[in-house]
Amino acid sequence: AQKVTQAQTEISVVEKEDVTLDCVYETRDTTYYLFWYKQPPSGELVFLIRRNSFDEQNEISGRYSWNFQKSTSSFNFTITASQVVDSAVYFCALPFTQGGSEKLVFGKGMKLTVNP
Amino acid sequence: GAGVSQTPSNKVTEKGKYVELRCDPISGHTALYWYRQSLGQGPEFLIYFQGTGAADDSGLPNDRFFAVRPEGSVSTLKIQRTERGDSAVYLCASSLSGSLTDTQYFGPGTRLTVL
Repeated sequence: AQKVTQAQTEISVVEKEDVTLDCVYETRDTTYYLFWYKQPPSGELVFLIRRNSFDEQNEISGRYSWNFQKSTSSFNFTITASQVVDSAVYFCALPFTQGGSEKLVFGKGMKLTVNP
Repeated sequence: GAGVSQTPSNKVTEKGKYVELRCDPISGHTALYWYRQSLGQGPEFLIYFQGTGAADDSGLPNDRFFAVRPEGSVSTLKIQRTERGDSAVYLCASSLSGSLTDTQYFGPGTRLTVL
């Protein structure tokens, strides 16, 4: 079965610091996708990125970047020059195919607090 | 365009009562998922609909939980004889077709509190 581990539970930084959120996963699938979602205090899960297991190139989107390393089963997320609006809980997730569905298996999440 | 919407945003009920939680997915999305999120945890899968049918209900904790999607759009999660342990945020998500390549988009959730 799929498993996602986010070892850090909570991180607090000062604005403009860089911060990296770790995600380690387990899967027996040869083809899979990985996701990151953001959950701000309002509660809604906001999609950030979907990554295919065949593509190990790092991805950058503005201040966000993702480092996917298949050899270590990791999909880490870095926020550069953090801002107060980045304060949220961040989840890493992996689809699990069973019973005809692609249900997402989530890590426990990592709460990021960015202080001004 | 409109995202996934859920009503009510908050529901407080007494132990033993019946509740219904509603999800309105993104228009055109055939796949619909329900998840439950307890405090300090990631969301956990409950049930998946493809069109009108429940294709996978393996995550429902017991037979007090039931969900329907009669016309392949709006879905209702129903909980009978609620217990305090049912208190959680119930999240709904939809995706275009439910395939591995699709992204699930989530609604704001319904926070259920059972007193």
